[in-house]
Amino acid sequence: QVQLVESGGGLVKPGGSLRLSCAASGFTFSDYYMSWFRQAPGKGLEWLSYISSSGSTKYYADAVKGRFTISRDNARNSLYLQMNSLRAEDTAVYYCARGVTVTRLGDYWGQGTLVTVSS
Amino acid sequence: DIQMTQSPSSLSASVGDRVTITCRASQSISSYLNWYQQKPGKAPKFLIYAGSSLQSGVPSRFSGSGSGTDFTLTISSLQPEDFATYYCQQSYNTPYTFGQGTKLEIK
Repeated sequence: QVQLVESGGGLVKPGGSLRLSCAASGFTFSDYYMSWFRQAPGKGLEWLSYISSSGSTKYYADAVKGRFTISRDNARNSLYLQMNSLRAEDTAVYYCARGVTVTRLGDYWGQGTLVTVSS
Repeated sequence: DIQMTQSPSSLSASVGDRVTITCRASQSISSYLNWYQQKPGKAPKFLIYAGSSLQSGVPSRFSGSGSGTDFTLTISSLQPEDFATYYCQQSYNTPYTFGQGTKLEIK
């Protein structure tokens, strides 16, 4: 069955960096779009970024553009999110999700990993 | 950015009730509208895409309708496991924005 497992979250100081990973299994990873979403404590969902199946196309929300970088390694069935210049408002649970098409970017989600930005 | 507004923000209902949640986009999004269900402490679950297409495995009591700017999610007969928060999301263009959510609670 489809499984997505995020890792790499934790406590980081403002201005610091963190790299999230998402390990995929149960499907042909290289056939699918992949996305990152987040949810701040007690708040709603926010789309952050998506990457095409080949990795050639990437889009970002303005809130993270220039600070976060999405990438994938199809040989390792893995998705990544490099997060730099972290701010307190980046504190959230980060989810990776699979997308069938660019308009169906969240048909399966991981369990999430918590990122806390605090001094 | 396209703004998505859900109503109501919260809703109390009983098992067996029919409930409808509304989502309105700030501009036309054709049928590029998805619905998700989220339970506390869990990842969202994909329910409906393209406004009215049911994701595989989702019970048929869930249905979606609408196009343009106005959309609805209907649960025909509430089951105990349906009490959760529901989000709409537009996939018409980036950034792919969500509504603020509708919390469905047991009356």
